[in-house]
Amino acid sequence: DGGITQSPKYLFRKEGQNVTLSCEQNLNHDAMYWYRQDPGQGLRLIYYSQIVNDFQKGDIAEGYSVSREKKESFPLTVTSAQKNPTAFYLCASSSDRAGANVLTFGAGSRLTVL
Amino acid sequence: SQQGEEDPQALSIQEGENATMNCSYKTSINNLQWYRQNSGRGLVHLILIRSNEREKHSGRLRVTLDTSKKSSSLLITASRAADTASYFCATDDSSYKLIFGSGTRLLVRP
Repeated sequence: DGGITQSPKYLFRKEGQNVTLSCEQNLNHDAMYWYRQDPGQGLRLIYYSQIVNDFQKGDIAEGYSVSREKKESFPLTVTSAQKNPTAFYLCASSSDRAGANVLTFGAGSRLTVL
Repeated sequence: SQQGEEDPQALSIQEGENATMNCSYKTSINNLQWYRQNSGRGLVHLILIRSNEREKHSGRLRVTLDTSKKSSSLLITASRAADTASYFCATDDSSYKLIFGSGTRLLVRP
């Protein structure tokens, strides 16, 4: 089955540590995205990538970093510079449906800072 | 930046009733999409309506779009307990960025 796999599902981090969230897709989608969701809130865009070896900052990129070395993979690193990292992180990829960008989401990774 | 804002923030209805959620946005769009999120899960795409369309149906879902008012509505008819979820609108301004609203939390009571 094609889809997006995020890991780990739950992650705990001590203050000052960097952590990396994995996102892998086998949908052959060109574009991939990372969103952050806080309790009871909508989604905010962290980074997105339209092609391999290229990515752009979203609305809340500070304290995060990404790489796109392979089409299938778009890992997100939450660095110690991110002051409030506890949140639900969602990875997505998109296909172009006749000019429209439709997203397929992973199941999410919940990060808690201890 | 939030492009779309859903209204109401929360909605509680009885099973079998219809549920209507509204979305307002600020700038010109190419299309508007609705997504559903079950608690603690990823979002699932429901329906897309293009800027030159006024109404679209998919099963028990009906979406309308009024570009002059920069608003859209999602109607779920004959609701079921399994429809309990959060619903988000998302707008596409022809970039690769989809901007999501803050969502409507729907509770369907059995």
